[in-house]
Amino acid sequence: QSVLTQPPSASGTPGQTVTISCSGSSSNIGRNTVNWYQQLPGTAPKLLIFDNYQRPSGVPDRFSGSKSGSSASLAISGLQSEDEADYYCAAWDDNLHGDVFGPGTKVTVL
Amino acid sequence: QLQLQESGPGLVKPSETLSLTCAVSGDSISITRYYWGWIRQPPGKGLEFIGSVYYTGSTFYNPSLKSRVTMSKDTSKNHFSLKMTSVTAADTALYYCARRGDASSTDAFDIWGQGTMVTVSS
Repeated sequence: QSVLTQPPSASGTPGQTVTISCSGSSSNIGRNTVNWYQQLPGTAPKLLIFDNYQRPSGVPDRFSGSKSGSSASLAISGLQSEDEADYYCAAWDDNLHGDVFGPGTKVTVL
Repeated sequence: QLQLQESGPGLVKPSETLSLTCAVSGDSISITRYYWGWIRQPPGKGLEFIGSVYYTGSTFYNPSLKSRVTMSKDTSKNHFSLKMTSVTAADTALYYCARRGDASSTDAFDIWGQGTMVTVSS
């Protein structure tokens, strides 16, 4: 059972906006920054968002992150077929002294 | 351009020790501000943090695995390693090595290896 909570799935049609939530606690998201990873089918995870909302070089600005209290969210606007992937939130946990990952959300483009 | 490459046996017998190495190219593992970590993913499931070793040598392990895991780094070979003892079928997974920036940089796993599949079976 994951320390962080995410919905198992989300979907949208091309062009729509999909939002994924991530809920944690005061020992992880509440005190530390949130990161989001995208895992395309058959590939290694890739850092998508770090420091709650920052995008690494090369990540389109269609992807945006936010955080409030012990929860965070990832929004994908202008949804495209290549966005079909699993998305994981993660944060450092001060009690566990390590990173914790959410269970992942599978995004489907209808 | 930094690259990470995992290596190790793809098949390990139950109760034996799993040993993996992550070779780092394109930069030194001695540089400050980075952790070097291991994450695994059982077939069809999500990501699980195993542990990481900081540039200082300090280690951080998932409490659920701590009793069986040892991580180390070898600056002369520019690689870091994972050892997991007493493996069972539940340890069957795709094992990734990754670089993690500390709080002064990305504070995230920003570079990942391609992963290596380890199956625990007799």
